[in-house]
Amino acid sequence: GQQVMQIPQYQHVQEGEDFTTYCNSSTTLSNIQWYKQRPGGHPVFLIQLVKSGEVKKQKRLTFQFGEAKKNSSLHITATQTTDVGTYFCAGPAQGGSEKLVFGKGTKLTVNP
Amino acid sequence: DAGITQSPRHKVTETGTPVTLRCHQTENHRYMYWYRQDPGHGLRLIHYSYGVKDTDKGEVSDGYSVSRSKTEDFLLTLESATSSQTSVYFCAISEPYNEQFFGPGTRLTVL
Repeated sequence: GQQVMQIPQYQHVQEGEDFTTYCNSSTTLSNIQWYKQRPGGHPVFLIQLVKSGEVKKQKRLTFQFGEAKKNSSLHITATQTTDVGTYFCAGPAQGGSEKLVFGKGTKLTVNP
Repeated sequence: DAGITQSPRHKVTETGTPVTLRCHQTENHRYMYWYRQDPGHGLRLIHYSYGVKDTDKGEVSDGYSVSRSKTEDFLLTLESATSSQTSVYFCAISEPYNEQFFGPGTRLTVL
């Protein structure tokens, strides 16, 4: 079945270092969404990418959607302690339904 | 945050007992979802609804049933809880082709 894979599963950085998480789908995606979940919290939507090769920025966060629309990345420049949490990517399930298939997430910890 | 609440927020129950979790929204969104979140598994879809009385199964639906009699309420029922259903349960809502908004979650422990 359709799979969305994320690497790494865990990442520990020193504050100020950069961080990148990668998302790979077994199928071509019409779009990809990214969510952040703070410790003890619920997932919160960050962004949606739709176009092949699309790049979007939100302050220190840069999101990319691959040319083949099967992979995506989230890059954080100069991490801060407020970036701590788990980052999930998600793509629409096959068949064009409103269901999302989530990656297992990358848990980021930041050492001050 | 979107107007979405879950109740109860915490529950401890015993194996074999029925459990119902409630999700309530004030956003009038068409779609509603139930996920479970377990370490190492991320978010897995249990059931979802695309309208009143319209529901469908997700990837981990065994042992769970749902009902949606009103736009604003989506109920998740464990007919006979098992220890493997100990988890954090999240409800989410969305409009077509848009992002999902998640509720605060319910932590369920089955002893």
